[in-house]
Amino acid sequence: GQQLNQSPQSMFIQEGEDVSMNCTSSSIFNTWLWYKQDPGEGPVLLIALYKAGELTSNGRLTAQFGITRKDSFLNISASIPSDVGIYFCAGQLSGGSQGNLIFGKGTKLSVKP
Amino acid sequence: DGGITQSPKYLFRKEGQNVTLSCEQNLNHDAMYWYRQDPGQGLRLIYYSQIVNDFQKGDIAEGYSVSREKKESFPLTVTSAQKNPTAFYLCASSYRQTSPYGYTFGSGTRLTVV
Repeated sequence: GQQLNQSPQSMFIQEGEDVSMNCTSSSIFNTWLWYKQDPGEGPVLLIALYKAGELTSNGRLTAQFGITRKDSFLNISASIPSDVGIYFCAGQLSGGSQGNLIFGKGTKLSVKP
Repeated sequence: DGGITQSPKYLFRKEGQNVTLSCEQNLNHDAMYWYRQDPGQGLRLIYYSQIVNDFQKGDIAEGYSVSREKKESFPLTVTSAQKNPTAFYLCASSYRQTSPYGYTFGSGTRLTVV
């Protein structure tokens, strides 16, 4: 099936550093979503994006819907230990046969105090 | 509060036994999904259902079965035909298949087969 290319696969950062991750595809999406999964739990929605170029913030998190509608970015500023987890992007394809959400493989974030 | 509940949180079974994982939601969502998660593999879709009494295979349906007799419930059975059943299983639901609000996930069931 369709795939999203999410990078990086993993990150090891120092507390206080900023983090950037992204998802790209060869297909056009009309919705981009970013989820966070804490260890041993289910993913929780962080940010939803619905328009090309849209920039949305949720506290220290900022996400953008790419102008081409084929990519999205998530930034975390001033990371803290509780930011540890796996971050997933997800997209809804544009067009008549939209189908299910398509998920990236995730970015595993580790934060050193 | 509305939500989606998976039970049990941890499940141990002997090889060759069938096991059923429970998923219940009180969000009045039409669509429900089952995903399997292995380290480094992301979320892989097993089965999904857009409406009661109807369901479709996902990318890795072999060795699994589901039923959707009630809107609120979407149990997953891991059969003895599943070659590598040990994994973390996630259930999700959405208002409808193409909901712009994304999916709501349960907290997962970790299945270990020994």
